[in-house]
Amino acid sequence: GNSVTQMEGPVTLSEEAFLTINCTYTATGYPSLFWYVQYPGEGLQLLLKATKADDKGSNKGFEATYRKETTSFHLEKGSVQVSDSAVYFCALRLAGSARQLTFGSGTQLTVLP
Amino acid sequence: DTAVSQTPKYLVTQMGNDKSIKCEQNLGHDTMYWYKQDSKKFLKIMFSYNNKELIINETVPNRFSPKSPDKAHLNLHINSLELGDSAVYFCASTRQSTDTQYFGPGTRLTVL
Repeated sequence: GNSVTQMEGPVTLSEEAFLTINCTYTATGYPSLFWYVQYPGEGLQLLLKATKADDKGSNKGFEATYRKETTSFHLEKGSVQVSDSAVYFCALRLAGSARQLTFGSGTQLTVLP
Repeated sequence: DTAVSQTPKYLVTQMGNDKSIKCEQNLGHDTMYWYKQDSKKFLKIMFSYNNKELIINETVPNRFSPKSPDKAHLNLHINSLELGDSAVYFCASTRQSTDTQYFGPGTRLTVL
């Protein structure tokens, strides 16, 4: 079956630290990959996505590269801010799958000033 | 301006009651979803409707019944509420030609 595995949180960093949140996937076929972010008390928002191997998604200083050989889509940011504190979800979607997303378990990030 | 809206935002009720959560999207999307997020933040899809027709029905109790009166609305009715139904329920929508799902703000259901 299809699944997404994220590094467990919570992750606590100081402002301006480097962030990596690991995400690996298992899928039958070639999925599109996503990172969603959930700020406190809000719904999920798309952060970035990549639809094929070696694509790099980027937004708001965050980046993730679709690595088919390692089935990974790790999220990185060079310098985090307090405002980046949120829960981050990695997700995949297979083509023709009624656009259903399969989510990882989420990683809570807290950035301290 | 709200793209995907849900009502109510909070719902506190007693075991055994019946309640509904409403969802509306003004994005012109053709597919809508309901997700359940548990206390550990784990998200699981419950239902998906495309053009008012059910296309995904994951293993959820039949006490949960989605209803889509038109493409812009997908409501969730829950009968005989149980303690384990306490969670945050998210509605989402997407257009057929795109991967991006847009989520509502969530409805926090607490069953006492």
